Amino acid sequence: GQQLNQSPQSMFIQEGEDVSMNCTSSSIFNTWLWYKQDPGEGPVLLIALYKAGELTSNGRLTAQFGITRKDSFLNISASIPSDVGIYFCAGGGTYKYIFGTGTRLKVLA
Amino acid sequence: NAGVMQNPRHLVRRRGQEARLRCSPMKGHSHVYWYRQLPEEGLKFMVYLQKENIIDESGMPKERFSAEFPKEGPSILRIQQVVRGDSAAYFCASSPGPEGAQYFGPGTRLLVL
Repeated sequence: GQQLNQSPQSMFIQEGEDVSMNCTSSSIFNTWLWYKQDPGEGPVLLIALYKAGELTSNGRLTAQFGITRKDSFLNISASIPSDVGIYFCAGGGTYKYIFGTGTRLKVLA
Repeated sequence: NAGVMQNPRHLVRRRGQEARLRCSPMKGHSHVYWYRQLPEEGLKFMVYLQKENIIDESGMPKERFSAEFPKEGPSILRIQQVVRGDSAAYFCASSPGPEGAQYFGPGTRLLVL
């Protein structure tokens, strides 16, 4: 079946640093979604990407839909302690999304 | 503008009992999805429903699991005769149409003793 490789699996960074994470797939997707999940909560939508090459920002977050439609990147600039959590990518065609295994981000103050 | 609502947030059942998980989509959303998440893993698609219709249940086990989204009221995910392996977080998501972004509820964490 379809699989998403999300990396890194986890990262510790200092407050103020920039963060990059990515997802790659063997399949082509029409939509990429990025979510953040806090412990005990549901995923919260951060950014939605609908076109190959699209670059979209949401505050300090920037995500890109890869040109090949098989990958996507999420960058967080000037990280702050509340950025801690698990970030998931999800690739989809129509209604069915495949989720990555998550990047666990820990920010050291 | 309330988001997706799920209840209960936590549910404890003994093996063999039934679990009923409820989901009310965001206002204006008629498309509902259920996902399961095991610890340290991503979410796995289970079923996609529109009002009174199951569109795709390919991710849902064929036995003991069922889902509905009636004309009135919340969507229900029902697990009969629960086993320990059913312990997981179950998330509901909704969307205004069949494509595009899905918005998640806070989840129901099911523990089977």
